[in-house]
Amino acid sequence: GQNIDQPTEMTATEGAIVQINCTYQTSGFNGLFWYQQHAGEAPTFLSYNVLDGLEEKGRFSSFLSRSKGYSYLLLKELQMKDSASYLCAVSSFNKFYFGSGTKLNVKP
Amino acid sequence: DTGVSQNPRHKITKRGQNVTFRCDPISEHNRLYWYRQTLGQGPEFLTYFQNEAQLEKSRLLSDRFSAERPKGSFSTLEIQRTEQGDSAMYLCASGYSTDTQYFGPGTRLTVL
Repeated sequence: GQNIDQPTEMTATEGAIVQINCTYQTSGFNGLFWYQQHAGEAPTFLSYNVLDGLEEKGRFSSFLSRSKGYSYLLLKELQMKDSASYLCAVSSFNKFYFGSGTKLNVKP
Repeated sequence: DTGVSQNPRHKITKRGQNVTFRCDPISEHNRLYWYRQTLGQGPEFLTYFQNEAQLEKSRLLSDRFSAERPKGSFSTLEIQRTEQGDSAMYLCASGYSTDTQYFGPGTRLTVL
């Protein structure tokens, strides 16, 4: 079966750095995605990793270790608008499997 | 706007009625996905099309659900004899490979 785990909720301070972890167990692997989802809105694409290592894109970075079934999303210089749910998803045999999401609360 | 569009954005229906949702993907995308999302959960895969062919369908999907993509462009998702448990956000996404997937705004279904 497919299993994707991420923390339910995290709180961080404006201007700080936060790391959101994701572990996965899937029968196939074509890549790992991170999405941001504000309440009541559709998910928006943040990052994609298919090879091990760190991908950096502005204030957001994503890391992947395929051997460990592990990824993290790193958000730097947190802003209030970063308060949202962050979804980890794995692509496997033409399907996408999502975790339940991590709700990030950014406080002043 | 050249993004994924979905209609209607909101649908309220009575239990037992049939509903149909439409998704218009990004024009150059040949892959189209349907998901269902309930509060506090991530999107749950329902079905996948490549062009007009429905290649994957979740085993969680009951026979009351059917999806089509007749010309490989827009897609429809129909739910027959709706139940209160069908209340959810129905999301459509499109892409052109396994490393792309862009979501539409979703259709929020409420079954009374």
